[in-house]
Formats: sequence, structure tokens, C-alpha cells
Amino acid sequence: GQQLNQSPQSMFIQEGEDVSMNCTSSSIFNTWLWYKQDPGEGPVLLIALYKAGELTSNGRLTAQFGITRKDSFLNISASIPSDVGIYFCAGHNTGGFKTIFGAGTRLFVKA
Amino acid sequence: DTAVSQTPKYLVTQMGNDKSIKCEQNLGHDTMYWYKQDSKKFLKIMFSYNNKELIINETVPNRFSPKSPDKAHLNLHINSLELGDSAVYFCASSQNTDREKLFFGSGTQLSVL
Repeated sequence: GQQLNQSPQSMFIQEGEDVSMNCTSSSIFNTWLWYKQDPGEGPVLLIALYKAGELTSNGRLTAQFGITRKDSFLNISASIPSDVGIYFCAGHNTGGFKTIFGAGTRLFVKA
Repeated sequence: DTAVSQTPKYLVTQMGNDKSIKCEQNLGHDTMYWYKQDSKKFLKIMFSYNNKELIINETVPNRFSPKSPDKAHLNLHINSLELGDSAVYFCASSQNTDREKLFFGSGTQLSVL
């Protein structure tokens, strides 16, 4: 089945630092997404990407859809304590009912 | 107003019992899902319903039976609970035109003792 490999598994950073995480797939997706999960809550959609090469920002977050359609990355600039959480990449194909999630990157930010 | 609400938030029960988790969405979405998140936080789809019809059943044991009385509700009933069923179960919904945009509930943490 389709699998997403997300790295790193966890990151410990200082407030103000930039963060980068990525996701690769064994197969092609035509939609890549990034979700964030806060403790005790469900994941919340941050960014959706629909076109190979697309670069999209949402505040301090920037994500890119890889040219091969098999990868994506997420950058967070100038991290703040409330960025703490688990970031999930996800892949989806248009018309389908299944969204596949990566294993998550746990981000810890020290003030 | 909570968009996707599921109850209960916590469920502690003995092995062998039967339990249900309820989910409701007030977003007018056509598709609803159940996801299971294990102790390593891995999220795996279990079921997907579209307008009350089962679309996806991801090789989930027969002890798990989803029921969708209408497109705003998707409940999950689990028979003969086992230790390995302990996890966080998330309900989610999406609109047909944007099925990739999932709206999740806050989860039900199930602990089987």
C-alpha cells in the first residue's frame, strides 16, 4: 500500500529558529497536505498543495509540492512556543476517499 | 459551535465489553470517516462513509461496526473489546468537492484494561 516517510521524527529547537521537515512517498499523489495536531486535539489543516512545484505560504509556514509529485516539505520560520505539536504530511488523490498520513514530526520549542 | 464533535472524550473499559463512540458534524459535509491513532501517533483510516453509504473499510476486524443514520452522524460500535483496541479514535468529515480537506473531532481516547 501507499506509504509516506516523514522526517525528522522529532525536533527540539530554540524559539526564533527556523524549522524544516519533509515527506516522501513511494507513489505519486496529486494533492499534498500538511496538518498540525495539538495535544488532546484532532489534526487541523495548515496548507494544501495541488500542483507539482507549487509553493504556498500560510503566515510563517511555507510548504512546497515536489516536482516528482512524490515529496513535499514544510518550513516554519521564526518558531514560537505555540508551534509545539505534531506536524503530519498527508497525500490524497483527487476523487478518492482516502488520505494517507505520514508518521508525524514532533516539534518541541524552548522559550 | 463545534464543527465535528465526538463523545465520549475518554472511555475506559474492561476487555470483552462492547462500547460505542458517537460523532456528529454540523458542517453539512457529505463524507465522514473514522481514523485510529496508535500510541506512536500513527493515523490510519478505518472507515469512510459518503451520504450514509460505506465507501472504505480498511481491513478492520468485524468487531468494529460503523453506523451512519444520516449524513451528519457516524457512530462506531466495538464488540468484544481487546487490549490492542486501546488507541485514540478520531472522527472526521469532508465536503465532496474537497475530500482532501479533513475536519477532525477532538478524539476519543479508548483504554481497554
